[in-house]
Amino acid sequence: SAVISQKPSRDICQRGTSLTIQCQVDSQVTMMFWYRQQPGQSLTLIATANQGSEATYESGFVIDKFPISRPNLTFSTLTVSNMSPEDSSIYLCSAGTGDYEQYFGPGTRLTVT
Amino acid sequence: DQQVKQNSPSLSVQEGRISILNCDYTNSMFDYFLWYKKYPAEGPTFLISISSIKDKNEDGRFTVFLNKSAKHLSLHIVPSQPGDSAVYFCAASVTDSWGKLQFGAGTQVVVTP
Repeated sequence: SAVISQKPSRDICQRGTSLTIQCQVDSQVTMMFWYRQQPGQSLTLIATANQGSEATYESGFVIDKFPISRPNLTFSTLTVSNMSPEDSSIYLCSAGTGDYEQYFGPGTRLTVT
Repeated sequence: DQQVKQNSPSLSVQEGRISILNCDYTNSMFDYFLWYKKYPAEGPTFLISISSIKDKNEDGRFTVFLNKSAKHLSLHIVPSQPGDSAVYFCAASVTDSWGKLQFGAGTQVVVTP
């Protein structure tokens, strides 16, 4: 298993600004993932982040809006850029340990005003 | 296009009785299925999984059943306990998809004394 921490746990941001969310894993992992959970909805995969390569984005998500860094095997960041109220969500990172199971961080609750 | 569906948004069950959560999927390429449990303000935690080569997997009070022909899986919790009150997500993955998961919308389970 893996223990995931995220910072910040929550934030309130103004429209047009950007927020970077950090995700730290307590062990080296191959795959890290970023999800969004909009109010009352399921988890939607934003992108897959491999160390040393560009993130792979899912349909509907683009790098300019959600740039991702993965500088090493234990850390990743997601930036939500030029925010609008529609970006208000819980953002979660997860780590894959080589099988199908993923371990999730506690999430970052973002409110955009 | 929602490929994993949980059609029951909520379930109320008495303590000690069985909870049955259902999940349907449309993508016949899915070959690994997982259930996650989520408490408020926490990230999802892995509960139990099943490969498409099996039709049943059991872990303590939790059993997952898979019916590939019907593209249906279910999670049974016996006996239900108050601590089981949470949102349960069904998720599915395809081999060689880097472990990417597609989630259902979730079912809120409330276990009453």
